[in-house]
Amino acid sequence: EDKVVQSPLSLVVHEGDTVTLNCSYEVTNFRSLLWYKQEKKAPTFLFMLTSSGIEKKSGRLSSILDKKELFSILNITATQTGDSAIYLCAVEANTGNQFYFGTGTSLTVIP
Amino acid sequence: DVKVTQSSRYLVKRTGEKVFLECVQDMDHENMFWYRQDPGLGLRLIYFSYDVKMKEKGDIPEGYSVSREKKERFSLILESASTNQTSMYLCASSLFAKNIQYFGAGTRLSVL
Repeated sequence: EDKVVQSPLSLVVHEGDTVTLNCSYEVTNFRSLLWYKQEKKAPTFLFMLTSSGIEKKSGRLSSILDKKELFSILNITATQTGDSAIYLCAVEANTGNQFYFGTGTSLTVIP
Repeated sequence: DVKVTQSSRYLVKRTGEKVFLECVQDMDHENMFWYRQDPGLGLRLIYFSYDVKMKEKGDIPEGYSVSREKKERFSLILESASTNQTSMYLCASSLFAKNIQYFGAGTRLSVL
């Protein structure tokens, strides 16, 4: 059975901390892995990863994929209260536009 | 910017009612998706469509149907709403050749 597992389920940190969110997957015919940020509204796209070992970076956020060990991490440095959200990991399979989502990691950044 | 619009943010219905959730996208995307999001379960795919009048079942299609008469509009139908369909419903769209999905703001449905 295809599945995506995220850890931790929730996390509370102080402003300025660095956090690492994990996403492991078992998906047949892997095509890509995507990270989304969901505040109290629509999930918004952060990164798409297809190749192993290549870091994607946007400001304080970065992500990397390990296709051999079947996982990805999302790093956030110097966290701010605006980073508080649910972070979703999704894996796309090659078979017919099928996406598998993890349960998400709920991040709370306190001042 | 891509815009995916869901017709209602909050909806309260009674058991047995027929419920329509509407989703419209303005970027000429081929693919459209309906998910439900529940605590501890994440997003689960109900149905998706890769073209007008085409539909494919996702992981949890039971109790739902969909309609895609026009490219920009994808409707989710609950033929006879039940309390276990109380959930957040998210619509998404994507270009056929691209992986990135763009989401609507969601409809929080309560079935009493």
